[in-house]
Amino acid sequence: EVQLVQSGAVVKKPGESVKISCKVSGYDFAIYWIGWVRQMPGQGLEWMGIIYPADSDIRYSPSFKGHVTMSADKSLDTAYLQLSSLKASDIGTYYCARISGHSTSHFEFDFWGQGTLVTVSS
Amino acid sequence: EIVMTQSPATLSVSPGERATLSCRANQSVGVNLAWYQQRSGQAPRLLISGASTRATGVPARFTGSGSGTEFTLAINSLQSEDFAVYFCQQYNDWLGLTFGGGTKVEIK
Repeated sequence: EVQLVQSGAVVKKPGESVKISCKVSGYDFAIYWIGWVRQMPGQGLEWMGIIYPADSDIRYSPSFKGHVTMSADKSLDTAYLQLSSLKASDIGTYYCARISGHSTSHFEFDFWGQGTLVTVSS
Repeated sequence: EIVMTQSPATLSVSPGERATLSCRANQSVGVNLAWYQQRSGQAPRLLISGASTRATGVPARFTGSGSGTEFTLAINSLQSEDFAVYFCQQYNDWLGLTFGGGTKVEIK
């Protein structure tokens, strides 16, 4: 059974950083892209970027490039999302999700983590 | 960037009735279009990929159609668990994945 399990909710102060983890099981972690998606409170879904764990090929959304860092540890079957210099506008739920295939005709997100709520408050 | 526009923002439907949701792209995405369901407090769930292929375990009352720039998700005979928010997503531009703003299907 494919599962993506994310780290728990966090509360951070403005200017701090946070690293969210996404541990997968039930499939070969290395050979599927993992994506990160943000959902601000009461809002829609925003694609942040994707990472291919086999070689750590990363593609960031221009909207998030420079503010987030994606990484993956194949030995732990875990992907990470780091947000730096947190602001109030970073408040939201962050999801990791697996991309279903290996071609652009199969680039939908077929399995999702449960989400990690990030709160930024002084 | 490919902009995805969903309509309506909110759809009020009675249980047992049919709901029709629309998703429009500002340029052609072929059939590289997915639909997701997000119930309150839950992560999104893949319903449809390739514009019309149901994901594993998705009931047959969910039907996706369309190609190019116009897409539709139809939900026949709405059940209580179908009242949720639905998002479309294009993946024709895999370096610029984009979602629609969502349609909330609520009980009338």
